Amino acid sequence: GDSVTQMEGPVTLSEEAFLTINCTYTATGYPSLFWYVQYPGEGLQLLLKATKADDKGSNKGFEATYRKETTSFHLEKGSVQVSDSAVYFCALRRRDDKIIFGKGTRLHILP
Amino acid sequence: DGGITQSPKYLFRKEGQNVTLSCEQNLNHDAMYWYRQDPGQGLRLIYYSQIVNDFQKGDIAEGYSVSREKKESFPLTVTSAQKNPTAFYLCASSTPMGGSNTGELFFGEGSRLTVL
Repeated sequence: GDSVTQMEGPVTLSEEAFLTINCTYTATGYPSLFWYVQYPGEGLQLLLKATKADDKGSNKGFEATYRKETTSFHLEKGSVQVSDSAVYFCALRRRDDKIIFGKGTRLHILP
Repeated sequence: DGGITQSPKYLFRKEGQNVTLSCEQNLNHDAMYWYRQDPGQGLRLIYYSQIVNDFQKGDIAEGYSVSREKKESFPLTVTSAQKNPTAFYLCASSTPMGGSNTGELFFGEGSRLTVL
């Protein structure tokens, strides 16, 4: 069946470090791909998305590119801040509107 | 204000009892979803509905049931057949994909169910 696999956390980085959180997926057809973020004490909110191969989603300095050949949607940021500490979820949406999530990656940024 | 309302926020249940979690949205979204969030497990899809009077099983539907009689409402019943029902339950709705729509999920604040 369809699935989303994320790198396990927690990931701990120093402020201004480069961030990569890996996400790969298995799906029939051509799903849309999303990253959601959950800040401490808050609900999930959309961070960025991409709807087709080679699309790049970007928001708040984060980027992810839809790679069909490697079935990946890795999240990157060039210089993280303490305020980026949160749990990040990769998700896919199929054409029939089924939306499934990865297990989440907890990110800690040290000042 | 537009949004998704889940109730109750906290619920305690004795083993063997069914319990129904409410989810109401006034965003005029067609698609609605129920997820279960457990530590280290991410969000797992229980049921989803693309339209009134229709719904599909997600990946962990066993022991749960839903109905979609109105566009605004998508209640979830946790039955006594669910072997490990203690969890945090999230309801969500979504815009469709395409055009100016992002296809993003909008979440309620969740309901925490504890089985005693």
